[in-house]
Amino acid sequence: GAVVSQHPSWVICKSGTSVKIECRSLDFQATTMFWYRQFPKQSLMLMATSNEGSKATYEQGVEKDKFLINHASLTLSTLTVTSAHPEDSSFYICSARGPYQPQHFGDGTRLSIL
Amino acid sequence: AQSVTQPDIHITVSEGASLELRCNYSYGATPYLFWYVQSPGQGLQLLLKYFSGDTLVQGIKGFEAEFKRSQSSFNLRKPSVHWSDAAEYFCAVVRYGGSQGNLIFGKGTKLSVKP
Repeated sequence: GAVVSQHPSWVICKSGTSVKIECRSLDFQATTMFWYRQFPKQSLMLMATSNEGSKATYEQGVEKDKFLINHASLTLSTLTVTSAHPEDSSFYICSARGPYQPQHFGDGTRLSIL
Repeated sequence: AQSVTQPDIHITVSEGASLELRCNYSYGATPYLFWYVQSPGQGLQLLLKYFSGDTLVQGIKGFEAEFKRSQSSFNLRKPSVHWSDAAEYFCAVVRYGGSQGNLIFGKGTKLSVKP
């Protein structure tokens, strides 16, 4: 079945640093990728949607300069949390879908900012 | 606005017992519906989906769900629960007008399984 790989699975870093999270579709071409944020014991909140080769569409309230999304190829999207602060600590999950396909999710990245 | 409601925050069942997780949606036309499962600290795994056709949908791990338009429901069922089924379950619907397939998630139902 469709596999989405997300890396790293856990990252701890100091406040003020930037963190990059990768999302790869391993066995299909992901025309669209999604980035979600999940707070403890809550549901997933869509942050942005990206199509290969075009700018990401951000949900209301999500800072595009804070959360940089790049979808340079049909198999790779990256989320960069710039100048991360403790309030950015969360569980970030990506998903990917091909044409006429449901979304397949990565295993998530737990980001902890000290 | 479209929404998905999972009325039960937490359900506990005994191993071997049957299970039904409730999901209601608000949308005028035929929705595209999904059930996902999330184990602690992990991403989401697709259990099953409904796009059209037969209203009883079979999924992986012995799960099934039934789409009932009259009740705006898409409840998830399993006849006999295993301890490994303990996880968080999310119902989701494709956002109307979301040509890219954006999903709206319910708040989730946590399933605990007693031995």
